[in-house]
Amino acid sequence: GESVGLHLPTLSVQEGDNSIINCAYSNSASDYFIWYKQESGKGPQFIIDIRSNMDNRQGQRVTVLLNKTVKHLSLQIAATQPGDSAVYFCAENRDTGRRALTFGSGTRLQVQP
Amino acid sequence: DVKVTQSSRYLVKRTGEKVFLECVQDMDHENMFWYRQDPGLGLRLIYFSYDVKMKEKGDIPEGYSVSREKKERFSLILESASTNQTSMYLCAIDTRFGETQYFGPGTRLLVL
Repeated sequence: GESVGLHLPTLSVQEGDNSIINCAYSNSASDYFIWYKQESGKGPQFIIDIRSNMDNRQGQRVTVLLNKTVKHLSLQIAATQPGDSAVYFCAENRDTGRRALTFGSGTRLQVQP
Repeated sequence: DVKVTQSSRYLVKRTGEKVFLECVQDMDHENMFWYRQDPGLGLRLIYFSYDVKMKEKGDIPEGYSVSREKKERFSLILESASTNQTSMYLCAIDTRFGETQYFGPGTRLLVL
């Protein structure tokens, strides 16, 4: 069935390196995507979003890339810091009715000092 | 800043107890959501509400009910708690369906 998924459940990077977290989606009708960050014991925190009429969008140290041809979404974090260690997950609005977002299961990012 | 608060961060209840989880928002948003989050399963929608006294079932409503008597408050009720309802419960709001959702800090519920 259609779903939002992640390629890597755990990603370990060195402090200062760039991180790339990936997400695959299968519903070509989805037109809005969001990345969230969730630290241990806390609620998910909005990072950045992108609409399907865009290929990329930049935030503070983060960039989201959307490749509609292969239905792929990625989050790039520049100069990864220890405070970036968390679970990251993507969400899409694949349902155009009252039902809202569909969430992926998440990738854990571990930043090594 | 959007602010969503949940009444408890941690709760321990016994099987069969009635449990109330409360969520309050201060932004006059219409849409409110309750999710549970379990390892490996991600966020699963239990119920949502798009107006006072209005509610709709999500993907896993069994064993739960909700109440929305005031716009700012959305309550999740476990009528008779069971051990398989041990989970992290997250409340969220948004301004339009299909747009960004903002989450509360979560309530970690343990049912013994």
